[in-house]
Amino acid sequence: DAGVTQSPTHLIKTRGQQVTLRCSPKSGHDTVSWYQQALGQGPQFIFQYYEEEERQRGNFPDRFSGHQFPNYSSELNVNALLLGDSALYLCASSLGQRNTEAFFGQGTRLTVV
Amino acid sequence: AQRVTQPEKLLSVFKGAPVELKCNYSYSGSPELFWYVQYSRQRLQLLLRHISRESIKGFTADLNKGETSFHLKKPFAQEEDSAMYYCALTVYNTDKLIFGTGTRLQVFP
Repeated sequence: DAGVTQSPTHLIKTRGQQVTLRCSPKSGHDTVSWYQQALGQGPQFIFQYYEEEERQRGNFPDRFSGHQFPNYSSELNVNALLLGDSALYLCASSLGQRNTEAFFGQGTRLTVV
Repeated sequence: AQRVTQPEKLLSVFKGAPVELKCNYSYSGSPELFWYVQYSRQRLQLLLRHISRESIKGFTADLNKGETSFHLKKPFAQEEDSAMYYCALTVYNTDKLIFGTGTRLQVFP
């Protein structure tokens, strides 16, 4: 089991562009959460998907949106990129029940120039 | 609002010395507390959670509701303990993790 996999590992985008990040959960997991980790900060919760629906959302603008597919993989989309969106984006997967252990991916490093 | 505070950005100790990584939280209900660790070039992983009351790699953490603290302790630090440590909590009946800013532990030989 490769665990949680994220792609791409790095990317550079220009201000105003749109970006899509991808996540495949650990085998057997059905819940995917996304986090943003700015330099020197802890991860901040963006949202969580379960059964292809957004179940919870953190304090992020509507420019951040997501999707979960029937195979439980997920995408994070960010529109109208700002310089401040530069960060490490982490995906975590878990099993549907509350408060089960979250397994994290290696992250995608997004740089907005 | 829920918040996790880790007051130390960096903690440096020598091998064999005791370690205490501080974590304080703000939450009006009954939180579940976690410690996550990130070793160099590895992904973030769960170290321990308060409900399991386990000792993992010699680390323990006790939830003190009176002081709203969940400090991570180890009596004798090892060089392989050098890593970034994050304290986190989840709000009751959710999976949303709220992280602190992290403490880098450096253990010198």
